[in-house]
Amino acid sequence: QVQLQESGPGLVKPSETLSLTCTVSGDSVGSYYWSWIRQPPGKGLEWVGYVYNSGTTYYNPALKSRLTMSVDTSRNQFSLNLKSVTAADTAVYYCARYQMLDWFDPWGQGTLVTVSS
Amino acid sequence: EIVLTQSPATLSLSPGERATLSCRASQSVSRYLAWYQQKPGQAPRLLIYDASNRATGIPARFSGSGSGTDFTLTISSLEPEDFAVYYCQQRSNGPPGFGPGTRVDLK
Repeated sequence: QVQLQESGPGLVKPSETLSLTCTVSGDSVGSYYWSWIRQPPGKGLEWVGYVYNSGTTYYNPALKSRLTMSVDTSRNQFSLNLKSVTAADTAVYYCARYQMLDWFDPWGQGTLVTVSS
Repeated sequence: EIVLTQSPATLSLSPGERATLSCRASQSVSRYLAWYQQKPGQAPRLLIYDASNRATGIPARFSGSGSGTDFTLTISSLEPEDFAVYYCQQRSNGPPGFGPGTRVDLK
């Protein structure tokens, strides 16, 4: 059974970089596309981007200029870096497997990141 | 960019009743439409993919239909654990995206 677990700081200062890691167990991170999705408190879901082992990435156009995603096969992890954050980036961040570039399953439990000084 | 609209925003029903949730796309997404259930404090859970295929472990009371721009999620008889928010999601030639959600709450 595939399981995903997000990790990273829960508090980031404005203008700094938000960095999160998703650790995958039960499957090889090199075999699939992987994605990040976020959800501001009390709001809906926003797709952030996806990454593949080959280095292929596709980012939400609204975040593209600030976003970097990568895969680390040695640790079976993938990561997200979002620079120059503002309060608008405060959200629960979920990692998920992007099956067939079509649907997201499974999901991690999510991690709340607050942007505040 | 394709925009998804969900209706109604809130659906108030009783256990045992039938729930019908709608998702409309601003242009055709063929059958590339998925449905998720989210309960408070939990991650979304995949229910339906490719418009009508139930994900592993999803009860038969959940069914999906539609193609092109109009899609429906039906819960044939609501169980107490089904009261939650439901999101549709599309993938097209552009970025994938989610609808704003429909909340199914207890009448």
